[in-house]
Amino acid sequence: DAKTTQPTSMDCAEGRAANLPCNHSTISGNEYVYWYRQIHSQGPQYIIHGLKNNETNEMASLIITEDRKSSTLILPHATLRDTAVYYCIAPNDYKLSFGAGTTVTVRA
Amino acid sequence: DAGITQSPRHKVTETGTPVTLRCHQTENHRYMYWYRQDPGHGLRLIHYSYGVKDTDKGEVSDGYSVSRSKTEDFLLTLESATSSQTSVYFCAISGLRGGTGELFFGEGSRLTVL
Repeated sequence: DAKTTQPTSMDCAEGRAANLPCNHSTISGNEYVYWYRQIHSQGPQYIIHGLKNNETNEMASLIITEDRKSSTLILPHATLRDTAVYYCIAPNDYKLSFGAGTTVTVRA
Repeated sequence: DAGITQSPRHKVTETGTPVTLRCHQTENHRYMYWYRQDPGHGLRLIHYSYGVKDTDKGEVSDGYSVSRSKTEDFLLTLESATSSQTSVYFCAISGLRGGTGELFFGEGSRLTVL
């Protein structure tokens, strides 16, 4: 897996966009970037993934830089329910490992 | 939601006793995983399976064994539980759409070893 680096924590105001960065400078050409989140003690939940192009779904948008060395997950209108730990991973096989992620706190 | 259930959801046991956690899926997915989660360590892979009777070790496999005799069930066994194995255990299955990393997780099994 490509090593990913995320900030330990970040705060966001309710209703504003939350931009979560992830650095994956060692990513190879065929490795996708995946994002997950984990709310409180629940099982992690898949959010979105991408290879080269920007992606959007009902939960979030994923912006990948042209050199693919970093990406940003965007929660367009953060709500209190978006408070969670967010994980960025870039696996190259089926041994999928998760780091500590970014703890995002959305404040009213 | 993916059909994945873990049992038991909560268990308290004593040091030295055997413990088996079960992960059951109804999605017919090939890949299944066991993770443990501890404060400050994120999710760490214990073992994974890429088919019936096909398993491999993850990064923290010592003290754990697994078995997969049929597609839908993936068992995690602690032969002789220790207090360091007190943790929350998550099972996951792989949907395999668009790459290798789309996982669906169970609700977790909280194990306390006294």
